[in-house]
Amino acid sequence: QQQVKQSPQSLIVQKGGIPIINCAYENTAFDYFPWYQQFPGKGPALLIAIRPDVSEKKEGRFTISFNKSAKQFSLHIMDSQPGDSATYFCAASSRGSARQLTFGSGTQLTVLP
Amino acid sequence: DAGITQSPRHKVTETGTPVTLRCHQTENHRYMYWYRQDPGHGLRLIHYSYGVKDTDKGEVSDGYSVSRSKTEDFLLTLESATSSQTSVYFCAISDWEDGAEKLFFGSGTQLSVL
Repeated sequence: QQQVKQSPQSLIVQKGGIPIINCAYENTAFDYFPWYQQFPGKGPALLIAIRPDVSEKKEGRFTISFNKSAKQFSLHIMDSQPGDSATYFCAASSRGSARQLTFGSGTQLTVLP
Repeated sequence: DAGITQSPRHKVTETGTPVTLRCHQTENHRYMYWYRQDPGHGLRLIHYSYGVKDTDKGEVSDGYSVSRSKTEDFLLTLESATSSQTSVYFCAISDWEDGAEKLFFGSGTQLSVL
């Protein structure tokens, strides 16, 4: 049972482009939505997170857009750079608990120079 | 990597043999987690610990056991490894911040079961 569906599986953009990664969830009890970034040979690292009481959150070049009624959220990377090439995972949990955290299947992003 | 060390980093073993993976942390975190990462599945929780000798099952616990005899060490054991347990295993610790439990992962162990 996949509670968080992530798309696309892979994404290739040119430097300066704006890749968008989408996630959809089913469980209305989810109230915490983090994104993790993973470089080859490393563990995932928390990138940015949002709660459902706001529709958008920005941290540097990374933006999460959240649509509570559609049960969807997305990650946008402004002015993407080759150094942003990584695998990105969305996730969702209830009560902000890691024990309840469900991950999406991941998106492999390649930013071409 | 948030003071987390996983060992070994790579291991190749044969079907039916026991395997133990170690996670060591240096910052006295109460909660520790074991995840597996597989293509198309993201990360899935195997077991977690909320203190010395206090552990509980996650989503994909079958075929795995854990132990935590000291705060700093969390061991994952495959009693009899199977090919379906070929995966990358990540240990994580957590910190509560802004009302949410944030995970910090180690660098992982690549396990191949032949």
